[in-house]
Amino acid sequence: QVQLQESGPGLVKPSETLSLTCTVSGGSISSYYWSWIRQPPGKGLEWIGYIYYSGNTNYNPSLKSRVTISLDTSKNQFSLKLTSVTAADTAAYFCARHKGAGHNLTPYDYWGQGTLVTVSS
Amino acid sequence: DIQVTQSPSSLSASVGDRVTITCRASQSISSYLNWYQQKSGKAPKLLIYGASGLQSGVPSRFSGSGSGTDSTLTISSLQPEDFATYYCQQSYSSPYTFGQGTKLEIK
Repeated sequence: QVQLQESGPGLVKPSETLSLTCTVSGGSISSYYWSWIRQPPGKGLEWIGYIYYSGNTNYNPSLKSRVTISLDTSKNQFSLKLTSVTAADTAAYFCARHKGAGHNLTPYDYWGQGTLVTVSS
Repeated sequence: DIQVTQSPSSLSASVGDRVTITCRASQSISSYLNWYQQKSGKAPKLLIYGASGLQSGVPSRFSGSGSGTDSTLTISSLQPEDFATYYCQQSYSSPYTFGQGTKLEIK
């Protein structure tokens, strides 16, 4: 059974960089697309971006200038960096796998439990 | 970006009721429409993919239909564990967008 687990600081200061890691267990990171999705408290879901195991990335244009997603296949992990954060970036951040090897136009079939990141001084 | 609009935004129903939630996209997305269930404090759970495909392990009382711009999620007979928030999502083109959610509450 594939499992995803987010890790990283729960509190980030304004203007600093939010950094999160997603560790994949029970399966290989290879051959799949992996996404980050966020959800502000009490609000809806927003796709942040994805990375393919080859390193190919695609970001939401609304965040593109501030986002970097990378991966470490040796550790079966992928990571999110979001720079110059403000209170509007306060949200639960989820990592997720795209259903079906090699496909990015697919839903997310496995999700991490999510981690709440608060931006505050 | 493709806008995805769900209706209704909230819904009150009773155990045993048949419930339908609608999702409309701002342009044709073929059958690249997916449905998720989210309970408070939890990650979303995939229910339906490709407009009508039932995800493994999901009860058969959940079904989806539609293509083009309009899709529906139907729960044939509501169970107590079905009271949650439901989201549709288009995976036709990036940025992948979600509907605003439908909160299903107990009447």
